[in-house]
Amino acid sequence: DIQMTQSPSSVSASVGDRVTITCRASQGIGNWLAWYQQKPGKAPKLLIYAASSLQGGVPSRFSGSRSGTDFTLTVSSLQPEDFATYYCQQANSFPITFGQGTRLEIK
Amino acid sequence: EVQLLESGGGLTEPGGSLRLSCAASGFTFSSYAMSWVRQAPGRGLEWVSAISGSGDYTNHADSVKGRFTISRDNSKNTLYLQMNSLRAEDTAVYYCAKAVTGNYYFDYWGQGTLVTVSS
Repeated sequence: DIQMTQSPSSVSASVGDRVTITCRASQGIGNWLAWYQQKPGKAPKLLIYAASSLQGGVPSRFSGSRSGTDFTLTVSSLQPEDFATYYCQQANSFPITFGQGTRLEIK
Repeated sequence: EVQLLESGGGLTEPGGSLRLSCAASGFTFSSYAMSWVRQAPGRGLEWVSAISGSGDYTNHADSVKGRFTISRDNSKNTLYLQMNSLRAEDTAVYYCAKAVTGNYYFDYWGQGTLVTVSS
């Protein structure tokens, strides 16, 4: 199985900050990676797919990138509604696996 | 508007069975693969099962293989998850999720249904 390791597990930041979350795959997955945002009591929301493609309706302050087996989600200027938990997910092969999540908290 | 509405969750004892349903609308159901993803209380997301649009191909996580079965009825636009031999560790909110065309990114999710396994 492909393991997805996210870091950090939590981060505190302020409105307007730039934040980066990293996800490392245990083996090559090409660009088969997605990022989701989840707020308490709600279903996850797709933000980024294919490592760097922005899902329709998602603000352009969200972006994704890849370097080898390392993937990055960047929020360029945090807004109040961005404080949530973020998950990466590999779609390269079964079993589909998620990272353990990164909780983005208000400083 | 795409809508996914899960039902069938509830409380059951260890060793019991439940069948979850997910009623889909707003898209051509048979054209898209679907999955079940679960989330234990206070924990992260765990993929459970997937099924192709036609229903011909299925995959299950090792943690549920042999106990859970995913299926679909394209005439009813409904996805199912038959869960047998339930364990306490199966306690979670179960989400159905629609896959995007050609791969297993999930662009729409239901609101989730809670399954509690406890004596």
